[in-house]
Amino acid sequence: QVQLLQSGAEVKKPGSSVKVSCKIVVGFSTPFAISWVRQAPGQGLEWMGRLTPLVGTTKLAHKFEGRLTSTADRSTSTVYMELSSLTSEDTATYFCATTTAVNLLDLWGQGTLVIVSS
Amino acid sequence: EIVLTQSPDTLSVSPGERVTLSCRASQIISSIHLAWHQQKAGQAPRLLIFGTSTRETGTPDRFSGSGSGTDFTLTISRLEPEDFAVYYCQHYGDSLPITFGQGTRLDIK
Repeated sequence: QVQLLQSGAEVKKPGSSVKVSCKIVVGFSTPFAISWVRQAPGQGLEWMGRLTPLVGTTKLAHKFEGRLTSTADRSTSTVYMELSSLTSEDTATYFCATTTAVNLLDLWGQGTLVIVSS
Repeated sequence: EIVLTQSPDTLSVSPGERVTLSCRASQIISSIHLAWHQQKAGQAPRLLIFGTSTRETGTPDRFSGSGSGTDFTLTISRLEPEDFAVYYCQHYGDSLPITFGQGTRLDIK
């Protein structure tokens, strides 16, 4: 059974970057893709983008183009999400989730809280 | 981009009641590409149902999904205390972006 283990909470200054990791603990198969979804305090879910680890390709939501980078380290089965030029509006919990070939999110990581504050 | 609108935003109900949550799409979508996720307070979301009506492994059979076209529903036949949570519908498929409804919160009356 696949599990996703995310890195711990971060506090960042405005204008800086944050890098969140998502380790894929694989039971039987490698996920087709890993999506990143964020949730601002008290708000709903916002899909940010996805990475296909085996080929390294990314697809991003339009609003994150130029600011979001997702990479994979296949040797450690870890996917990374780096978000730059942070503002207070980026304060949120960031989730990774396994994503099927038709973009169904079927398993979620536990979430990583990122606080952006001066 | 498909916009999903859920109703109501909040529903106050008692354990044992039957509830129906609605998810309306901004255009006709394939019924094989509509999912429901449950998020309990302080936890990550969890996939409950995909393909409109197929329960994910571990989802109790008191949860059922139905719908077609633009209108989809999640029904909980008999609310248990652990069902009080926020429920999100999700559209998926070949095209991006992936979209979610804004969520429906089930509160204990």
